Amino acid sequence: GAGVSQSPRYKVAKRGQDVALRCDPISGHVSLFWYQQALGQGPEFLTYFQNEAQLDKSGLPSDRFFAERPEGSVSTLKIQRTQQEDSAVYLCASSLSRSYEQYFGPGTRLTVT
Amino acid sequence: AQSVAQPEDQVNVAEGNPLTVKCTYSVSGNPYLFWYVQYPNRGLQFLLKYITGDNLVKGSYGFEAEFNKSQTSFHLKKPSALVSDSALYFCAVRGVGSNYQLIWGAGTKLIIKP
Repeated sequence: GAGVSQSPRYKVAKRGQDVALRCDPISGHVSLFWYQQALGQGPEFLTYFQNEAQLDKSGLPSDRFFAERPEGSVSTLKIQRTQQEDSAVYLCASSLSRSYEQYFGPGTRLTVT
Repeated sequence: AQSVAQPEDQVNVAEGNPLTVKCTYSVSGNPYLFWYVQYPNRGLQFLLKYITGDNLVKGSYGFEAEFNKSQTSFHLKKPSALVSDSALYFCAVRGVGSNYQLIWGAGTKLIIKP
């Protein structure tokens, strides 16, 4: 079956531009997570959705970061007025429920120039 | 404080030899433990998990991990390494007080030499 997909795979943005990163979770997965991963490091939690409800956004680094999952399936992570420090790989993961193992997408590599 | 430690940045093993990638954790209560593997330019792939039951857990691609409560460890093992096992390996633990947030180790780069 299809896994988690993310688009685009690579994104180059000029500083100050807005970007939108998309995640298509595995069908039927209730829980959806966004992570930020720096090169050679473990993922850093950004936010968590259960269906369409954003239950935890404690990891979002600033109010320039915004995530939504309006119909409880596809999710979008938006970064406004991108800064160089936003350059990272953004990973999306989904799971059957919050306690189960998470399945990750390939990530979107964002480079802010 | 809850934490996960992977004490080795890199592990080098000859093809065909057994491999071990170490992980220790600090979490109060009963931990849920996970291993993931990441190949270059790809997302993390789930390998195995320990929730409860047998201390030896078997996972994908011939990997297994042993939960040791007294040593608070969850080392990843494989009896005979393949060159294709070369990748970045992450240990993670579900934090107490959260039933979804994972605490991640910094990762261990595994290099299998032919």
